[in-house]
Amino acid sequence: EVQLVESGGGLVQPGGSLRLSCAASGFTFSIYNMNWVRQAPGKGLEWISYIKSSGSDTYYVDSVKGRFTISRDNVKNSLYLQMNSLRVEDTAVYYCVKEGQYGSYSAVWGQGTLVTVSS
Amino acid sequence: DIVMTQSPDSLALSLGERATINCKSSQSVSSRSNKKNFLAWYQQKPGQPPKLLIYGASARESGVPDRFSGSGSGTDFTLTISSLQAEDVAVYYCQQYYSTLYTFGQGTKLEIK
Repeated sequence: EVQLVESGGGLVQPGGSLRLSCAASGFTFSIYNMNWVRQAPGKGLEWISYIKSSGSDTYYVDSVKGRFTISRDNVKNSLYLQMNSLRVEDTAVYYCVKEGQYGSYSAVWGQGTLVTVSS
Repeated sequence: DIVMTQSPDSLALSLGERATINCKSSQSVSSRSNKKNFLAWYQQKPGQPPKLLIYGASARESGVPDRFSGSGSGTDFTLTISSLQAEDVAVYYCQQYYSTLYTFGQGTKLEIK
């Protein structure tokens, strides 16, 4: 069974840092591109970052560029999101997402981890 | 960036009725060369992560009931639920994956009247 399990969320003060992790299982992690998508409380979905299967290419939405870094470890079957200089508006549930077999749609989603940025 | 706009924002229908949700992109998300459409639909129920329903504008994901169907190309797409069931109450999102800065529509909340 394909599974994505996020961890690392929590409460952090504005300006602080957090590192999210996503443990993947049930599929060949190293051949799939991966993404992070977030959802602020009561709001819609926002794609924030992409990483190619090899880790060679990464993309970010403008609002997190320069503050967040996506990375992966294909030996440990894990995806990461390093979040620095956090802002109140970064408060959201963060989802780890596996792309599809036939294209870059969001085929499988983790349960999400909540990040709360507040003083 | 490609902007995705869904209509309506909310919809209330009776059980058994047909539900139609529209999604419009600010530029084409279809490939002229191979006629592929880079548009997906998701269903999100309260307290759950989103679930993939449709990809390639019209291909139903495995396990998705056949009352769900997708259509469209270019900039205009539609998700149709042929006969609304109680378990279809959810928020529905479209997403383009034509451009790597993948973007979602704002969501359409579907309720039972």
